[in-house]
Amino acid sequence: SQKIEQNSEALNIQEGKTATLTCNYTNYSPAYLQWYRQDPGRGPVFLLLIRENEKEKRKERLKVTFDTTLKQSLFHITASQPADSATYLCAIYNQGGKLIFGQGTELSVKP
Amino acid sequence: DAGVTQSPTHLIKTRGQHVTLRCSPISGHKSVSWYQQVLGQGPQFIFQYYEKEERGRGNFPDRFSARQFPNYSSELNVNALLLGDSALYLCASSLDPQGLETQYFGPGTRLLVL
Repeated sequence: SQKIEQNSEALNIQEGKTATLTCNYTNYSPAYLQWYRQDPGRGPVFLLLIRENEKEKRKERLKVTFDTTLKQSLFHITASQPADSATYLCAIYNQGGKLIFGQGTELSVKP
Repeated sequence: DAGVTQSPTHLIKTRGQHVTLRCSPISGHKSVSWYQQVLGQGPQFIFQYYEKEERGRGNFPDRFSARQFPNYSSELNVNALLLGDSALYLCASSLDPQGLETQYFGPGTRLLVL
């Protein structure tokens, strides 16, 4: 069956460290993958999109990798700050006009 | 510029009732998608509309329907509400006809079915 899975447990890290979040998918062949941030009670906010022919993409303190062989994307936040605390969602495109989201990983950055 | 707006922000209904949720996309965006997000889960795709035509449909029963108006705003209708329909309903707009590139989400409508 088709699945998109993220770390189910919350990730707790110290301020200044690098946070690494994982997104794994099975039985999909996505052309690209997206990462979103969601704060409690708010809608998701788009962060980054990476295409299948891109291995890595960066935006300020954010870095995303996309390994189509492993069927995995890693999302890194370097020099993390308490303001980075939120739930992070990965999403892939499934043919048929659907954007499929993972369940999200909650990140907590402690000062 | 105004972002995606949704109304109402909160809604309480009882089982068997119907509900209409409304969404206004970002100006210039012709694609609108609807998602259901249950607590602790990621958003689940319901519908995508572009230029008033349905372009995609998720695995939801026929009790769920939607439409898009000439001004690109959209409505999501849910009939015969069940307790399990309690969720955050999100609307997202996009420039892309397939709604696949950057999606801009509204704040959502929180629906509680009693």
